[in-house]
Amino acid sequence: RKEVEQDPGPFNVPEGATVAFNCTYSNSASQSFFWYRQDCRKEPKLLMSVYSSGNEDGRFTAQLNRASQYISLLIRDSKLSDSATYLCVVNEAGRRALTFGSGTRLQVQP
Amino acid sequence: EPEVTQTPSHQVTQMGQEVILRCVPISNHLYFYWYRQILGQKVEFLVSFYNNEISEKSEIFDDQFSVERPDGSNFTLKIRSTKLEDSAMYFCASRTSGTTDTQYFGPGTRLTVL
Repeated sequence: RKEVEQDPGPFNVPEGATVAFNCTYSNSASQSFFWYRQDCRKEPKLLMSVYSSGNEDGRFTAQLNRASQYISLLIRDSKLSDSATYLCVVNEAGRRALTFGSGTRLQVQP
Repeated sequence: EPEVTQTPSHQVTQMGQEVILRCVPISNHLYFYWYRQILGQKVEFLVSFYNNEISEKSEIFDDQFSVERPDGSNFTLKIRSTKLEDSAMYFCASRTSGTTDTQYFGPGTRLTVL
């Protein structure tokens, strides 16, 4: 069973659309959650941390459901520059390592 | 904004050769990491380093791998005898001692083993 599972996509959406990604994680002891963004052949860059109460950063909203062990990311008013792979990332309690999902690819089209 | 830097950006080597990948973490960070990403696959954890010792390592990080912090700024990953399957992007990351575990990644070194 994959530790962090994501729909690989691609999600092809027009500019201005709202798009949502989901991610599930298998370890209930996971304690920190993040969305990273990765452009082709570049390093992962932190998009936002995910908190239990849900959090928003501009056009981006992240939600965490601990009971169901899933995390979501909502992007409103998509821009061409949002085209990237979105990585769901989890840190398990007591571990230093981050565990990455395989990523969901988003392509925003003009 | 402070950044993690890595050199070289691309390393080509022959199978069986030793390579050293170099990283300069963000200056006030205390925890250092190496990850790798084989082309088309997910990012995988290799090793974490704190207080001049390995604090955690994955199954991938076998005896062929070693890490070192030779001075106050550099953090290196050595692969003693490279294999074809070591071809990947290698990312260095660092974080502060805070509890949020936000790790900041360097731009990566693309290692190609021929």
